[in-house]
Amino acid sequence: DAGVTQSPTHLIKTRGQQVTLRCSPKSGHDTVSWYQQALGQGPQFIFQYYEEEERQRGNFPDRFSGHQFPNYSSELNVNALWLGDSALYLCASSFSGLNQPQHFGDGTRLSIL
Amino acid sequence: AQSVTQLGSHVSVSEGALVLLRCNYSSSVPPYLFWYVQYPNQGLQLLLKYTSAATLVKGINGFEAEFKKSETSFHLTKPSAHMSDAAEYFCAVSEYGNKLVFGAGTILRVKS
Repeated sequence: DAGVTQSPTHLIKTRGQQVTLRCSPKSGHDTVSWYQQALGQGPQFIFQYYEEEERQRGNFPDRFSGHQFPNYSSELNVNALWLGDSALYLCASSFSGLNQPQHFGDGTRLSIL
Repeated sequence: AQSVTQLGSHVSVSEGALVLLRCNYSSSVPPYLFWYVQYPNQGLQLLLKYTSAATLVKGINGFEAEFKKSETSFHLTKPSAHMSDAAEYFCAVSEYGNKLVFGAGTILRVKS
């Protein structure tokens, strides 16, 4: 049973570019959340998708957008990249319902030059 | 607003010694609490969760945590540290839905 898979594992971009990160949830899970983890910090919630709709959003600018597909997989898009966007981006999946435990992928390491 | 404070960014113990990682939370409603572990270059793995069924929660790898409402704490313990326990540990709180709010993390070092 595959867990949460994310691609790519590493990515290097330059300032001003845009990036798309991908996530496949654990089998059976229908809810996907994205987190940003800067170096030496805890993960910060970006947003959550359920039934192809953004259900919750954290304190991130509109440059961060997402999408969930009918097969529950998800994408995170970031436009106008700047140095501060360098971080590990984590995808987590869960069953819908109150406070279901989230299962995390290994993340995408994004470096902005 | 919910928040989590983890006391001690680094904790060092000897192999076989007690592990105690501290977590205090702030929440306006009864919280759901979680501990996750992160090994280098990996994602987060769920150790245990508190969902109001029992105040003492047992998790994987011999870890457990006790919910104390009066102290707003959810400290993580393990009776005997193993070298393989060396990692970063995160406490997280959830109030509504599945949004997790994480603490800053505690790096556990185990000395031989």
